[in-house]
Amino acid sequence: RKEVEQDPGPFNVPEGATVAFNCTYSNSASQSFFWYRQDCRKEPKLLMSVYSSGNEDGRFTAQLNRASQYISLLIRDSKLSDSATYLCVVNFYNQGGKLIFGQGTELSVKP
Amino acid sequence: GAVVSQHPSRVICKSGTSVKIECRSLDFQATTMFWYRQFPKQSLMLMATSNEGSKATYEQGVEKDKFLINHASLTLSTLTVTSAHPEDSSFYICSATRGPSNQPQHFGDGTRLSIL
Repeated sequence: RKEVEQDPGPFNVPEGATVAFNCTYSNSASQSFFWYRQDCRKEPKLLMSVYSSGNEDGRFTAQLNRASQYISLLIRDSKLSDSATYLCVVNFYNQGGKLIFGQGTELSVKP
Repeated sequence: GAVVSQHPSRVICKSGTSVKIECRSLDFQATTMFWYRQFPKQSLMLMATSNEGSKATYEQGVEKDKFLINHASLTLSTLTVTSAHPEDSSFYICSATRGPSNQPQHFGDGTRLSIL
C-alpha cells in the first residue's frame, strides 16, 4: 500500500463547478499535511497547509481527519486557471522534514 | 519571489557525462535540503536528504555513488549525476524549509535532464 494515496484523475469539470479531492495516508505518525499544486513541467507550489480544525483560503477549503487518516481539498467556483495537478503531501518532520507525495490528481476546468 | 534557486533549468548531454545541479536557499540558511526526482506522469519521489556538513541520507533504491550530494554550506547543496545514462533523464527538484522542519517546503524551479 502506498504511504499517500489520492483519487485517480483526471477530473474534468466546467467553470464554476465545485470539485473535491480526497487523500489517505497510511502512517499515523505523519505530522503535518499540505496541498501543493503543480503545473505541467513546473515545480510544485504550496497551495495550503492542512490543519486539524480545517482551514479555508478563499475558494479553497482543506480538511483533516486524523482518526481516519484522511485529507480533503474542496475547490469552489472553479476557474480555468485552477487546471493543474494537485498533490497531497505528508510531512514527517520527526524525520527531518521528509515529504511523501501522493501521485497527484489532475484537474481540468473547461469553459 | 523565489526563495530557493536551482540551476541549471535544462540540461541536454551525451550518455556518460556527469551533470551537476545546484540548489541555493536565497535569503535563509538551510541545514537540510531535499532532492526529488519526477518521471513523466508520476509524482515526486524523494531521492535523498542533504545535510549541511555531513553525509546525505539516501532513500532505498537510490545509488549514492551514482547521485553524489554535497552540502558544503548553509545555502548550497549540489547533486551530481555521475556517468549519466538515458534512464537518468528526469525532472530533478530540490527543496528547503525556511524555519522548523514541520513548515512547508519551498521548491526550486527544477532541472530537466535529458541524456541522449
